Amino acid sequence: DQQVKQNSPSLSVQEGRISILNCDYTNSMFDYFLWYKKYPAEGPTFLISISSIKDKNEDGRFTVFLNKSAKHLSLHIVPSQPGDSAVYFCAARPNSGYALNFGKGTSLLVTP
Amino acid sequence: NAGVMQNPRHLVRRRGQEARLRCSPMKGHSHVYWYRQLPEEGLKFMVYLQKENIIDESGMPKERFSAEFPKEGPSILRIQQVVRGDSAAYFCASSPQGQGNNEQFFGPGTRLTVL
Repeated sequence: DQQVKQNSPSLSVQEGRISILNCDYTNSMFDYFLWYKKYPAEGPTFLISISSIKDKNEDGRFTVFLNKSAKHLSLHIVPSQPGDSAVYFCAARPNSGYALNFGKGTSLLVTP
Repeated sequence: NAGVMQNPRHLVRRRGQEARLRCSPMKGHSHVYWYRQLPEEGLKFMVYLQKENIIDESGMPKERFSAEFPKEGPSILRIQQVVRGDSAAYFCASSPQGQGNNEQFFGPGTRLTVL
């Protein structure tokens, strides 16, 4: 039962443009959301998170938007750089919990 | 300031053998989580441990899998009598606290191949 869904397996963006990665969730108990970036043969690296009391969190080139009514969040990367090419995982959990529920990931390719 | 350490990075076992995966959390972290990633899938939660205690093992297969986090030493994920379906990447993560808005920091993973 996939409670966190990333419906785009891959995305290709030109360098300098905006990358938008999307994530949907079904469990209304989720109230803490995270994005991880993963290179091949490495572990996921934490990027940015957002609590359900907010609808936006920004950190440098990365911004996460949360739409609770739609159970949807997105990660914006602007401007995109070739080093951003990686698999991006969306994860969620209830604030009272600890186990992260991951999506299947979106493979981002930023071309020069 | 070392991150989460996992070893071995790669492990090859024949069907029926045992696999032992080790994880040392980040300094100051007493909460450890194990996740498994099958090919083309996201990470799936397996077990959450604190020192000497299993807090939640709801994601662990009922048979052949066990985990521990002793008072001294790394956390161990043990798989007995491995089968081909156990081939996956196993990731360990740690956090300073269990609940609340704390990100989990992941190790590089152990890639298990069962022949």
